[in-house]
Order: sequence, then C-alpha cells, then structure tokens
Amino acid sequence: DAGVTQSPTHLIKTRGQQVTLRCSPKSGHDTVSWYQQALGQGPQFIFQYYEEEERQRGNFPDRFSGHQFPNYSSELNVNALLLGDSALYLCASSWVTGELFFGEGSRLTVL
Amino acid sequence: AQSVAQPEDQVNVAEGNPLTVKCTYSVSGNPYLFWYVQYPNRGLQFLLKYITGDNLVKGSYGFEAEFNKSQTSFHLKKPSALVSDSALYFCAVRDEAGGSYIPTFGRGTSLIVHP
Repeated sequence: DAGVTQSPTHLIKTRGQQVTLRCSPKSGHDTVSWYQQALGQGPQFIFQYYEEEERQRGNFPDRFSGHQFPNYSSELNVNALLLGDSALYLCASSWVTGELFFGEGSRLTVL
Repeated sequence: AQSVAQPEDQVNVAEGNPLTVKCTYSVSGNPYLFWYVQYPNRGLQFLLKYITGDNLVKGSYGFEAEFNKSQTSFHLKKPSALVSDSALYFCAVRDEAGGSYIPTFGRGTSLIVHP
C-alpha cells in the first residue's frame, strides 16, 4: 500500500517565479492538507481539501492556492515567490479516524 | 481556540533509560491529541493518538502517552530509550468543539539519546 507521495522532492526557484507541488494521498484517504515547515519550526497549516473543495484555510496569503482532483490527488501553487517561502512543504492525507499521514515533503529553495 | 505547548526544545537521555517528552494543551471542548515523529529531512510519522477511553495510549515503536485531563497534559513516554529514537517529536491537538478539522502542532522537541 503506497503511502503519501510528493513531487518534486527538491527544487530551486528565484524570487517572483511560480511553483507547483504535487501530492498523491494514501489509498483510501479523501482529505488532503498542506503544511509549510520552516527550519526548526513545527508545521504551519496552509489549507485542506475535501471533495475537491477548499474546506479550511490557514493564515497564508492568496499567493498560495491549491486544487484537489477527482482521484483525491492535490496540487499546491505558490505565485510571486519570496525568499521567505523557502521551506519544506508537507502534504498529509487523512480519513475519518483523524490522524495525518505525511509525505516526505518538497524542499523549496527561493534564491 | 486550540493551542499546544512543548516546553522543552531538547531532551537528552542515555540509551536504556526511560524518556519523557512533555506536552500541554488548551481547548474549549474535548481534545483529540496526537504525537508525531520526524527524522532528519523526512516527513512526519504518526505515533499515537488519544480520542477517548483509557488514559494510557500505546503507539508505534514502544512509545506510549498518558492523557491527564486535570493537568491538560499528554506526555510521551518510553520505558527504555534507543539511540535510533533520536528525532524531532511533535505534539498536536484538535478541539472537538472547535468546529475545525485541523490540528495545531507544537514547536517540536528534539530528543537526543546518547549511547
């Protein structure tokens, strides 16, 4: 049973560019959440998708947007990248039991 | 509002000794509590959770946690630490009454187990 998979694992962008990160949830999970984890910090909630709709959003600007597809996979898009967007971006899937299953993350570096 | 605190940035313990990683929480209703572990350059892995029932919860890799409602705590414990337990540990809480599906994570505690 494949767990949560994320791509790409690492990427480097320059300020002002746009990035798309992808996530496939664990089999049987219908809910996908995205988190940003800066170095030495805990994960910060960006948004959650359920039934292809954004169900809840954290305190992130509109530059951060997302999408969920009918197969429950999801994308995170970040526009107009800033240096401060450099972080590990984590995708987590879940079901009614509540615990989150995380992918290995996408490490974004903005130069 | 829901919040969680991990008062120790780092915990050091010798291999074979018992370990405790502390977590306290604040919620309006009943708490859903979780522990996760993160190894370097990896995602978080679920260890255990408390929803209801027995206050002592057993999880993966020999870890357990004790829910204490009066002290609003959910400390992570292991009877005998291994060097391989060295990692970053996160406590998370979700308020059953909060109307949110999203847990709040603590800042994390770095556990270092010395040989």
